[in-house]
Amino acid sequence: DIQMTQSPSSLSAFVGDRVTISCRASQSISRYLSWYQEKPGKAPKLLIYAASSLQSGVPSRFSGSGYGTDFTLTISSLQPEDFAIYYCQQGSRTPWTFGQGTNVEIK
Amino acid sequence: EVQLVESGGGLVQPGGSLRLSCAASGFIFSGYWMHWVRQAPGKGLVWVSRINGDGYSISYADSVKGRFTISRDNAKNTLYLQLSSLRAEDAAVYYCARVAGSGDDYNSLGYWGQGTLVTVSS
Repeated sequence: DIQMTQSPSSLSAFVGDRVTISCRASQSISRYLSWYQEKPGKAPKLLIYAASSLQSGVPSRFSGSGYGTDFTLTISSLQPEDFAIYYCQQGSRTPWTFGQGTNVEIK
Repeated sequence: EVQLVESGGGLVQPGGSLRLSCAASGFIFSGYWMHWVRQAPGKGLVWVSRINGDGYSISYADSVKGRFTISRDNAKNTLYLQLSSLRAEDAAVYYCARVAGSGDDYNSLGYWGQGTLVTVSS
C-alpha cells in the first residue's frame, strides 16, 4: 500500500497568515493527489484535485503543488473559516490512502 | 444538485451484520465510480471500497476484504455496503462518496454524504 505522510500534524496560526501543509507519498503517485478540508460534524470537502487543480467553488487562497512523491497545500491568507483538519489522499492505485491529517488551529 | 444520503447504521454486536445504503440523486448514477470511506471516532479518514458504474470492477481495503461487500442498483440509484463479521475496530461513521468527475478529477472524491454511524458493541 502507498503510505501518505503529512506534516505537520498540527499547527497554530493567526488570521491572515500564510500556511503550508506538506504531504509525502511512499512511492510516486504522479499527480493523483487530492486535498480535503474537514470541519467538526461535517463531511470532508474536496479542495484540490490532480495535485494543483482548484475544485469549483473553492476560494482562490487555496492552492496545491507537487508531483511524484512530494506535495504541498498552501493557504495564502488564513481566514477564520479555514480552521479545520486537512487531509491529503492518493488516487494513484488501490487501496486509496489518506494522510493522517493536519489540524489547523487558531493562535 | 448532487445528493448522497446514507442510511442503515446502528448498534450491532461483534460478529454481526449490517447493510448500509446510499441513495443518490442529481446525477446519472450509473456513470460514476462510487466509494465508501470510514472514520472512527476522533480518527482520520480510511478508504474502504469502490465500485465502477456497471458494478463489475470492485476493490476493497485489506482490512475489510472477505467481510464487506460493495454493490449497487443502478435502477434504484442506490449504493450498498454489506458489513459482516463485524469487529470493534469497524465502528465508525461510514461515508459514501462519488468521484468528482470523469476527467482529471476522476481520482478524487468530490461529493460526500452526511455519513451513517456504525457502533459495534456487546
